Amino acid sequence: DTGVSQNPRHKITKRGQNVTFRCDPISEHNRLYWYRQTLGQGPEFLTYFQNEAQLEKSRLLSDRFSAERPKGSFSTLEIQRTEQGDSAMYLCASSEEGQGFATFGSGTRLTVV
Amino acid sequence: QKEVEQNSGPLSVPEGAIASLNCTYSDRVSQSFFWYRQYSGKSPELIMSIYSNGDKEDGRFTAQLNKASQYVSLLIRDSQPSDSATYLCAVKRGGDKLIFGTGTRLQVFP
Repeated sequence: DTGVSQNPRHKITKRGQNVTFRCDPISEHNRLYWYRQTLGQGPEFLTYFQNEAQLEKSRLLSDRFSAERPKGSFSTLEIQRTEQGDSAMYLCASSEEGQGFATFGSGTRLTVV
Repeated sequence: QKEVEQNSGPLSVPEGAIASLNCTYSDRVSQSFFWYRQYSGKSPELIMSIYSNGDKEDGRFTAQLNKASQYVSLLIRDSQPSDSATYLCAVKRGGDKLIFGTGTRLQVFP
């Protein structure tokens, strides 16, 4: 197991386009989280899954954002009609239930031009 | 008021000195606290967790928690240039989600 894997590492897209990111968590971890980090800020929570169930979504997650974890393994985060304000590092993390801390992936850096 | 507050720095210390990083949090019911280190352009990595009042030591790192005063600190002894990074304080909320501070940038100069 090589840890939490995210693809792609970088994505440049034109404003208005849709983008999708993938996260593969550590295999035995049943919880998966998405965070967004902008320059000079700490990661901000977006949403999390326990197995395939999406248990919480932040108010930051507008209706242009959708996340899925269809089989309780990998997850995707889709952003529709991207805006320049969506430019950020999107971080995925995973943990075992009750573990308390999360292990982060390398992130996907999104640039909207 | 932000839920987790940190001084953004930079905090500059000479090599071999003790670096002291501080964090305050607003929710009194918080029980679990974490320090993550983040190198520029990299993802956060966990370096310390602390759950009880007092000190917890791990190698050159010591985390300190004072729930009555709602602060958490991280001490790095014998600071090395390789410790230069942003240190993120995080507080656990329901579902194990983490609320992060903005991070403190540490610079250790030779």
